[in-house]
Amino acid sequence: ELKVEQNPLFLSMQEGKNYTIYCNYSTTSDRLYWYRQDPGKSLESLFVLLSNGAVKQEGRLMASLDTKARLSTLHITAAVHDLSATYFCAVDIRGYGGSQGNLIFGKGTKLSVKP
Amino acid sequence: GAGVSQSPSNKVTEKGKDVELRCDPISGHTALYWYRQSLGQGLEFLIYFQGNSAPDKSGLPSDRFSAERTGGSVSTLTIQRTQQEDSAVYLCASSPRWWAETQYFGPGTRLLVL
Repeated sequence: ELKVEQNPLFLSMQEGKNYTIYCNYSTTSDRLYWYRQDPGKSLESLFVLLSNGAVKQEGRLMASLDTKARLSTLHITAAVHDLSATYFCAVDIRGYGGSQGNLIFGKGTKLSVKP
Repeated sequence: GAGVSQSPSNKVTEKGKDVELRCDPISGHTALYWYRQSLGQGLEFLIYFQGNSAPDKSGLPSDRFSAERTGGSVSTLTIQRTQQEDSAVYLCASSPRWWAETQYFGPGTRLLVL
């Protein structure tokens, strides 16, 4: 069974602090995405990682992908309240066979940034 | 330009009734995807369309669920004889083609089965 495991699932941070969210997956893939979801809202694409060693940065967020370790990280630098949301990683299995569709999502990390 | 739209935004129905959920993808996007988001199961893939055909229906949870897409545009997800466990947010996404990296998600339809 294909698995995508995120940790932590809940994260309470103080403003100004740094932290990393981890996304481990159990299948072969070199495409992984990070999405953000605000309460009651839909998913917003944050990062598209398409190869081993890929690193993308946007503001206080930086995502990386290690396909050999089957691990992606989302690093938060100097957190601010506006970053409070749920963050999902999704592994793209299109082209790798199997019968689970195209994206396998982690359970999400609910981030709360407090003053 | 317009994003992915879904209707209705909220739907409350009684157990045993049929419901239809609609998705309007971004104009020109050939690929369309349906997902379900629930507290217990997280985000689950249901089905995707390439044009009007659905090469992968593997995620549909039971034969009460069906979907169609007409004219390469609008898609309808139908749930027959709804059950309480069908309560979830149903998300639709589209992309320019099946292999495209980014899927653009709609706002979702929140379904509550009483």
